[in-house]
Amino acid sequence: QKEVEQNSGPLSVPEGAIASLNCTYSDRGSQSFFWYRQYSGKSPELIMSIYSNGDKEDGRFTAQLNKASQYVSLLIRDSQPSDSATYLCAVSSNYKLTFGKGTLLTVNP
Amino acid sequence: KAGVTQTPRYLIKTRGQQVTLSCSPISGHRSVSWYQQTPGQGLQFLFEYFSETQRNKGNFPGRFSGRQFSNSRSEMNVSTLELGDSALYLCASTLGRYTGELFFGEGSRLTVL
Repeated sequence: QKEVEQNSGPLSVPEGAIASLNCTYSDRGSQSFFWYRQYSGKSPELIMSIYSNGDKEDGRFTAQLNKASQYVSLLIRDSQPSDSATYLCAVSSNYKLTFGKGTLLTVNP
Repeated sequence: KAGVTQTPRYLIKTRGQQVTLSCSPISGHRSVSWYQQTPGQGLQFLFEYFSETQRNKGNFPGRFSGRQFSNSRSEMNVSTLELGDSALYLCASTLGRYTGELFFGEGSRLTVL
């Protein structure tokens, strides 16, 4: 059973702080890694994808991948109340995307 | 550019009935995937279609089925509904072969009484 694990949270950070979201996966053959954001009552939307070891930055978001440790993370710098949402880690292997259950992030003004 | 459209958005059924959900992908997208989302299990993969062929299937019973038409529109069907089938059913499309970079519809919320 291929698994993707995330802390369910809630993770609470003050406005302007760095939010760190973590994800581990069990399938060493996984090739692609994604972070989705889901606001309450809405559908998930893709915010980051990462395919190779290291960091990938996009605005206030940085995705980090360590395949040896089977670990993916998402850093959100200068967190804003509008970042409050559930963040879903997704891992692709053999054309199947497996989602973690998500981490609820709350950014307090 | 229109997004992924799912219909109906909400529906209520009783145990034993069947339901058909529809999904129209973003224009030009040929891959359609279906997911079930529940508070306890999160997002679970149902199946993926590409060019009218089911390419991948999740661990759901045979009561769950789907198909894709030549215009890439997709339907999923659940027969003999059970209470546990109550969930948000999400359709997602992507341009080419399954990439993981999905565009989700708003979902169809199914309640089984």
